[in-house]
Amino acid sequence: GQQLNQSPQSMFIQEGEDVSMNCTSSSIFNTWLWYKQDPGEGPVLLIALYKAGELTSNGRLTAQFGITRKDSFLNISASIPSDVGIYFCAGGSGGSNYKLTFGKGTLLTVNP
Amino acid sequence: DAGITQSPRHKVTETGTPVTLRCHQTENHRYMYWYRQDPGHGLRLIHYSYGVKDTDKGEVSDGYSVSRSKTEDFLLTLESATSSQTSVYFCAITTGTDEQFFGPGTRLTVL
Repeated sequence: GQQLNQSPQSMFIQEGEDVSMNCTSSSIFNTWLWYKQDPGEGPVLLIALYKAGELTSNGRLTAQFGITRKDSFLNISASIPSDVGIYFCAGGSGGSNYKLTFGKGTLLTVNP
Repeated sequence: DAGITQSPRHKVTETGTPVTLRCHQTENHRYMYWYRQDPGHGLRLIHYSYGVKDTDKGEVSDGYSVSRSKTEDFLLTLESATSSQTSVYFCAITTGTDEQFFGPGTRLTVL
């Protein structure tokens, strides 16, 4: 089956620093999504990307849909303590009952 | 808020007992999904539904069954729970795009 390689697995940064994480795949996706999960809660959708090359922002978050359609990047600028959590990427094909393939997540820790 | 609730939120059970988890949505979305989340594995699809009485298997369906007798409820059943099914279970819905929205999760412990 399809697999997503998400990196890094974990990051420990200082408050105010910028963060970058990415996902790569051996398969093409028509949609890339980024989720954040806080402890004890379900994943929350942050950004959805639908077009190759697309760059989309949501506050301090910026995500890009790679030109090859096999990768995506998420950047967080000026990190704050509430950015702590697990960030997941997911790829979708748009059909096939809208099933998603998920990366294994990046655990972000922000030191105040 | 996608109007998704899961029950129970926490459950401890013993090996060999049947367990049913419930996912309830309030907005009549057609597609619903059950995932399990384990350290090192991320989110893995167990079963999904594309309508009332229409369900299909995901990548880790062994040991699980599902039922959807009405649009708003999607039930996940472990016929005979095993310790390997100790996990956090999430339900999700989609509104007809790839954007899935998740419930709060059920933490299941099988002793």
